[in-house]
Amino acid sequence: GAGVSQSPRYKVAKRGQDVALRCDPISGHVSLFWYQQALGQGPEFLTYFQNEAQLDKSGLPSDRFFAERPEGSVSTLKIQRTQQEDSAVYLCASSLVGRPPYGELFFGEGSRLTVL
Amino acid sequence: GNSVTQMEGPVTLSEEAFLTINCTYTATGYPSLFWYVQYPGEGLQLLLKATKADDKGSNKGFEATYRKETTSFHLEKGSVQVSDSAVYFCSSGGDSSYKLIFGSGTRLLVRP
Repeated sequence: GAGVSQSPRYKVAKRGQDVALRCDPISGHVSLFWYQQALGQGPEFLTYFQNEAQLDKSGLPSDRFFAERPEGSVSTLKIQRTQQEDSAVYLCASSLVGRPPYGELFFGEGSRLTVL
Repeated sequence: GNSVTQMEGPVTLSEEAFLTINCTYTATGYPSLFWYVQYPGEGLQLLLKATKADDKGSNKGFEATYRKETTSFHLEKGSVQVSDSAVYFCSSGGDSSYKLIFGSGTRLLVRP
């Protein structure tokens, strides 16, 4: 497709379960970002990839969060032992370039995670 | 650290009314500034941007001017339509920094 695709769109998990969220960026986009958007808030940065290299993971809230992009295209955000505070919309975004200025970010529709 | 503050919503207007959504930022250096829009059921979309002081971004009748002296980037539209109902996010960054910092969003509801 032409845009950033995320799956699943909705995920309900029981507390303690592991979840995996997938992002398919726009083909050829070098940079890939994950953001977390809590209800009623703006997106907050989680992590950044330039191709397959994870250059910044400073926004990941705990060591239960792990992201990868092994071949420099599709990315997976994994959350282990989910907690209720992990409930949020997880947004993936990509951009064409991997150097300043980074230009426009293209966002997916997000994966809404609800932890019961 | 860098931050973005925007007016709380919801903002409720009648069709054809004038819109202003205030946004101020704090930053080291001179970041690029953006307005993103999120329509119901859709992802964030870039509405407009400005990359340096006094630049004016515009798109779909919306405008915002990068004001360095007041560290502001207020969004304006002269005549809103029902189809403009959405959540609007102000953000900074993306120039030398890959991180975008977002405000908390302002929901706009336009009534016929």
